[in-house]
Amino acid sequence: DAGVTQSPTHLIKTRGQQVTLRCSPKSGHDTVSWYQQALGQGPQFIFQYYEEEERQRGNFPDRFSGHQFPNYSSELNVNALLLGDSALYLCASSLYFSGTRNSPLHFGNGTRLTVT
Amino acid sequence: AQKVTQAQTEISVVEKEDVTLDCVYETRDTTYYLFWYKQPPSGELVFLIRRNSFDEQNEISGRYSWNFQKSTSSFNFTITASQVVDSAVYFCALRANFNKFYFGSGTKLNVKP
Repeated sequence: DAGVTQSPTHLIKTRGQQVTLRCSPKSGHDTVSWYQQALGQGPQFIFQYYEEEERQRGNFPDRFSGHQFPNYSSELNVNALLLGDSALYLCASSLYFSGTRNSPLHFGNGTRLTVT
Repeated sequence: AQKVTQAQTEISVVEKEDVTLDCVYETRDTTYYLFWYKQPPSGELVFLIRRNSFDEQNEISGRYSWNFQKSTSSFNFTITASQVVDSAVYFCALRANFNKFYFGSGTKLNVKP
């Protein structure tokens, strides 16, 4: 049973560039959420996708956008990169309507983005 | 507003000692869910335990146990007989506000042999 997979594992970009990160959810899951984790901090919610639509969004600027494909995989795009965007980006999958509302998120290993 | 506070930034213990990680949360939701996750150096957040807001029964699962007290908005996590492999960063998380997850800043646990 494949878990959440993310690519690439590491990425180095220059300020002002654009980046795309990819995520495949755990088998059987239909919802993908993205989190940003700065060094020494907890993950911060960016947004959540279900049925190819953004369902919820955290306090992140419009430079952060996403997409979900019919196979439930997802992309996170960040435009006009800033030094402060350097972080570990985590993808998490879950079931949108689960029988138990306390179902946990399942996380991937993350993509380490460095902006220079 | 929703908030999770982990006041302990870093804890060091010697193997076989018991260790308790503290978590205090804030939410106005009447129904919410609490979780503990472990993050080893590899980066992946691993789910450990969960608790519903309407169930204050405390439980033990192997070497893990948790103490949930609504009166003090605390959800503390204890590892009994710690092992070196327990060394990681531990995050407390709150699921509330239309199912959003809110994480604390984490507690780094160092277990020394």
